[in-house]
Amino acid sequence: GENVEQHPSTLSVQEGDSAVIKCTYSDSASNYFPWYKQELGKRPQLIIDIRSNVGEKKDQRIAVTLNKTAKHFSLHITETQPEDSAVYFCAASEKGGTASKLTFGTGTRLQVTL
Amino acid sequence: GAGVSQSPSNKVTEKGKDVELRCDPISGHTALYWYRQSLGQGLEFLIYFQGNSAPDKSGLPSDRFSAERTGGSVSTLTIQRTQQEDSAVYLCASSPQLANYEQYFGPGTRLTVT
Repeated sequence: GENVEQHPSTLSVQEGDSAVIKCTYSDSASNYFPWYKQELGKRPQLIIDIRSNVGEKKDQRIAVTLNKTAKHFSLHITETQPEDSAVYFCAASEKGGTASKLTFGTGTRLQVTL
Repeated sequence: GAGVSQSPSNKVTEKGKDVELRCDPISGHTALYWYRQSLGQGLEFLIYFQGNSAPDKSGLPSDRFSAERTGGSVSTLTIQRTQQEDSAVYLCASSPQLANYEQYFGPGTRLTVT
């Protein structure tokens, strides 16, 4: 099955700096890669996703890049703000049937300091 | 509209007892997923439903775990003879249909086995 690795496990940046979180996946057939943000005690919420027919996607301060050849994808947050502090999870969908079984990375705890 | 809801929000049970966790997906969502999140860990896939059928039960940790979905809507996850290692937050998610659609998460049920 799919295996997703995520780095770093913790990341501390100063407000206004950029943050980058990287993930690798093992199943070359995976074709959907969402990123979720989870604040303490809250549910995971989708912040951005990318499909395999696209190399990069941007939404305001957040961007995701995908390299299918190398089987890795990254989340980029620019101009970080304190409210960006949370745990971020990458995931990859394992093809099969008609539903996306998501395999998640182990998470990155992002701390944005003033 | 209403999001995914789960009940109870918290459940404390004694080792050896059975528990039942409930998930109400977003109306009209045909796909429903159960995940488990242990303290400080990522999300572990348990099972998914497409309609009322469960094509993939590969994530269920043992035969003490079972799930059903009726009427293409509400799902229950049952854990029999609970063990301390079952303590975790159990998250439910739903998505509109087919593969590679955003999964909307519920708030989770925090299960503590004493």
